[in-house]
Amino acid sequence: AQKITQTQPGMFVQEKEAVTLDCTYDTSDQSYGLFWYKQPSSGEMIFLIYQGSYDEQNATEGRYSLNFQKARKSANLVISASQLGDSAMYFCAMSPDSNAGGTSYGKLTFGQGTILTVHP
Amino acid sequence: DGGITQSPKYLFRKEGQNVTLSCEQNLNHDAMYWYRQDPGQGLRLIYYSQIVNDFQKGDIAEGYSVSREKKESFPLTVTSAQKNPTAFYLCASSIWENTEAFFGQGTRLTVV
Repeated sequence: AQKITQTQPGMFVQEKEAVTLDCTYDTSDQSYGLFWYKQPSSGEMIFLIYQGSYDEQNATEGRYSLNFQKARKSANLVISASQLGDSAMYFCAMSPDSNAGGTSYGKLTFGQGTILTVHP
Repeated sequence: DGGITQSPKYLFRKEGQNVTLSCEQNLNHDAMYWYRQDPGQGLRLIYYSQIVNDFQKGDIAEGYSVSREKKESFPLTVTSAQKNPTAFYLCASSIWENTEAFFGQGTRLTVV
């Protein structure tokens, strides 16, 4: 079984500053994927960034980077230069290793989420 | 534009009635999923389907049923057996071995 833990129910950051959202995970799989999604108040889930368990380099997508520490089983999201539009709920998620060959990246286990508020 | 369409956005039903939530995608994705989200919580997997005419239970399938007769469509029926049906329901799709799932806008179901 897979488990995702997000210990920060809410975070506040000043506009233009960086913020780190914590995520730890637990799995017995050797191969897995880690994801971050953003959920604005409108409800849709927006994919932000992906890290494969065998990727040696941390993933980056624009202002988003994923600080992947495999030994510590953590996959923290770093948002640089925060913007007012970054205010939303953020979810960390992971996908399993598929015995059928390949990994299903849509079959996700989610954490509880962190509400990020960006202040002007 | 390609994407996932869920309808309706808001749905109200009386207790004891079955209700079907629609999910259509034109992304040509093989896999489709249904998730449930309760207030302040993460998403939980209800059902998923890798190919047409095949689907598997997720973590919380009790009280729900699905069908996958077409690649583009994956409707979810919330039956009267579901004890706490009021929730936000999200449909998603993915190429089975791709890197991310794409989500619809969600349907907020309220049972009174």
